[in-house]
Amino acid sequence: RKEVEQDPGPFNVPEGATVAFNCTYSNSASQSFFWYRQDCRKEPKLLMSVYSSGNEDGRFTAQLNRASQYISLLIRDSKLSDSATYLCVVNLMEYGNKLVFGAGTILRVKS
Amino acid sequence: NAGVTQTPKFQVLKTGQSMTLQCAQDMNHEYMSWYRQDPGMGLRLIHYSVGAGITDQGEVPNGYNVSRSTTEDFPLRLLSAAPSQTSVYFCASSSPRYNEKLFFGSGTQLSVL
Repeated sequence: RKEVEQDPGPFNVPEGATVAFNCTYSNSASQSFFWYRQDCRKEPKLLMSVYSSGNEDGRFTAQLNRASQYISLLIRDSKLSDSATYLCVVNLMEYGNKLVFGAGTILRVKS
Repeated sequence: NAGVTQTPKFQVLKTGQSMTLQCAQDMNHEYMSWYRQDPGMGLRLIHYSVGAGITDQGEVPNGYNVSRSTTEDFPLRLLSAAPSQTSVYFCASSSPRYNEKLFFGSGTQLSVL
């Protein structure tokens, strides 16, 4: 079983739609959680961290469910520019950096 | 501010050849790492370094060497290229304080024939 699993998609949605991605992780000792965004043939960039209480950054909302070991990303009012691959990332270390990346979920927003 | 500079962008090798992928950062980050990205798989850690003179193996280190003689530079050496090393390689860095925020280079598309 992969340590971090994501639905590869693609998710094809119209502009203005709300779309949600889930990600599950297998290691219950995982310490922190993130979403990265990767545009086609580009490097990944940090989109947002995911906190236990849930957090929001504009149109993006991230949630963590430790009991069920999954995190989610909700995008409201999708824009064409949101088209990208979204990578779920888990840090296994509390102090330090042992990041495990999911394979990513492809989002295509169409006009 | 250049950030993380990675070269070359593209490279084609024959089986058995060796080469070095260069990575430099100008943010005074202590942590640097190399990942490979293959279709259908997440980025996998090859080697990492927490500071000059210190390196360690990641998840998939076989066939690769690294060194960290300065804070700025972290080259990745392929000792004897194999077709299984065909991949996209990313170098990344972060400061210890915000260690989950990785700054990535623009990547190297490597093909081994």
